[in-house]
Amino acid sequence: RKEVEQDPGPFNVPEGATVAFNCTYSNSASQSFFWYRQDCRKEPKLLMSVYSSGNEDGRFTAQLNRASQYISLLIRDSKLSDSATYLCVVNPVFSGGYNKLIFGAGTRLAVHP
Amino acid sequence: DVKVTQSSRYLVKRTGEKVFLECVQDMDHENMFWYRQDPGLGLRLIYFSYDVKMKEKGDIPEGYSVSREKKERFSLILKSASTNQTSMYLCASSATAGSSPHEQYFGPGTRLTVT
Repeated sequence: RKEVEQDPGPFNVPEGATVAFNCTYSNSASQSFFWYRQDCRKEPKLLMSVYSSGNEDGRFTAQLNRASQYISLLIRDSKLSDSATYLCVVNPVFSGGYNKLIFGAGTRLAVHP
Repeated sequence: DVKVTQSSRYLVKRTGEKVFLECVQDMDHENMFWYRQDPGLGLRLIYFSYDVKMKEKGDIPEGYSVSREKKERFSLILKSASTNQTSMYLCASSATAGSSPHEQYFGPGTRLTVT
């Protein structure tokens, strides 16, 4: 079983739609959770951290469910520029100074006019 | 602005050749990482380093070695390239402390093809 699992998609949605991605993780001792965004042929970049209480950044909302070991990302009012691959990322345990991260394979989102 | 640079964007090598991939970061980060990214598998950690001359194996170190002689520079070495090492290689760096210790900053990647 992979440590971090995501639906690869693609999710094809029209502009203005609301879309949600889920991700599950296997290590119940995981400490920290993130969503990274990777545009086509580009490097991954941090989109947002995921806190136990949930957090919102503009049109993006991230939620964590520790009991079920899943993380979600909700995008409201989708824009063409949201088209990208979204990587679910987990910090399995506190790993001292180097903060090892485990990356999911990503969920591809395609927003069309 | 954090900048992570990698020595090449595209590289084509023959089976058995030695390959050096170099990564440089300009933010004085303690931690540096090498990943490979393959379709359907995501990013897999090859090696990481949390200090000069320190290195730790990641999840898939076989066939690779690394070198960190200076804080800003982390090199990945393929001693004898094989076709199954054809992949996108991504370097990243992160700070140990500060407001975002988990945030890893990535270089643009090197697409290596081994023929």
